[in-house]
This record gives sequence, structure tokens and C-alpha cells, in this order.
Amino acid sequence: DTGVSQNPRHKITKRGQNVTFRCDPISEHNRLYWYRQTLGQGPEFLTYFQNEAQLEKSRLLSDRFSAERPKGSFSTLEIQRTEQGDSAMYLCASSWTGDSPLHFGNGTRLTVT
Amino acid sequence: AQTVTQSQPEMSVQEAETVTLSCTYDTSENNYYLFWYKQPPSRQMILVIRQEAYKQQNATENRFSVNFQKAAKSFSLKISDSQLGDTAMYFCAFMRMDSNYQLIWGAGTKLIIKP
Repeated sequence: DTGVSQNPRHKITKRGQNVTFRCDPISEHNRLYWYRQTLGQGPEFLTYFQNEAQLEKSRLLSDRFSAERPKGSFSTLEIQRTEQGDSAMYLCASSWTGDSPLHFGNGTRLTVT
Repeated sequence: AQTVTQSQPEMSVQEAETVTLSCTYDTSENNYYLFWYKQPPSRQMILVIRQEAYKQQNATENRFSVNFQKAAKSFSLKISDSQLGDTAMYFCAFMRMDSNYQLIWGAGTKLIIKP
């Protein structure tokens, strides 16, 4: 069990650019979640996958955001035409079943200048 | 809609002391889970303790224990014999036991353990 891995750890981009983050969950975990966390706040749910199926998306996930989990393994989160308000920590978590505890990655910190 | 409230933005105690972090929540559900997660500075979020709402017995994990008051919708975390490594943000979270199993998070309490 190598844990949940997220890359990159930090990303600085100019407003208007596209960015993509990757999450590798714990290998036997079926569920994969994306959260956004701003400084001093708890995580906010963005979306989750059961295997390769994206089952729910938060209204926070505007049409500039897209997430995929091809083959039910790793996942990517893409933000198009980034805005300064997108600056946050993006957390990925995985779990074996719906009610089992989440295992989090270290997150990707995005700074949009 | 469920909400989770952590009324203490920051707390500070001396090493070896006992500290209690408060959490209240609002729900009309009868079956759910409650969690405390810890997020050390610049490190990943890790699970501290979990409580199933149908269990009357309070969960305990080594120095960490909870006081779960279902009727009052209160879920406090007690840390005994606090250590410097306990310094972190602590988040209380609520999970509905439906098909989505989504977590609703509090805003967190910053806990500082002083030497």
C-alpha cells in the first residue's frame, strides 16, 4: 500500500491557461474523490468516481472543470481557462467502499497569477 | 441539508495536557457516520477516529476518544496526553449512509501544542 499519490505537488500558472492534475489511488480502491480546499477551510466536494463511472459532480464544478478516470485506475482533473479564484489545494482521496474511510493524497496546490 | 459546525477556530494547550475539540452537526438522518480527520501543516489529511451513529459506545483510538451525543447532535474529540505531533488542523465530518456516501466537512480547528 503506497498510498494515494498526486502530481504535481505545486502548479503555478497564468490566468487563462489550462492545467491538468493526476491522482493515483490505492490500487484496490473502487471509489475516487476530488475535493477543493481553500486556506482555513474544510474540503469542498467536487466529484467522485465508482470505478470508471463519474457518479456525481458538485455545482462547484463549472464547465471549465472536467475529470476522468479511464479504466477505473488513475484519475485526471483538468481546469480550462484558469481564473484566480481557482487557486486552491486540490485533494484526491480514495476508498474501498462507500462507507469505508477515505485515504487522502498530499494534494496539488494551484496558484493562478 | 446537513451542516457541520466547529466553533473553535484555534486552540492552544501545553504538551501533555488534555484538550477537547467541539463539533456540532445538523441532520434529519438517523443513520450516518461521523469522523475526525487531522491535517498537519503541509501534510496529508489522515483519519483520526470514526463513529457510527447507531453505536451508543463512544469510539476510542489510543489517546483519542470522542463524546458522541446523538440527541444533542454533538461529536467532540478529546486528545489525552497531547504531544507536539498533534499540532494540526482538525476537521469534523459527517457522512450520510446513502449511495453517495458524501462527506460534509466543518471549517476546522487549528490545534497548537506548545512545548
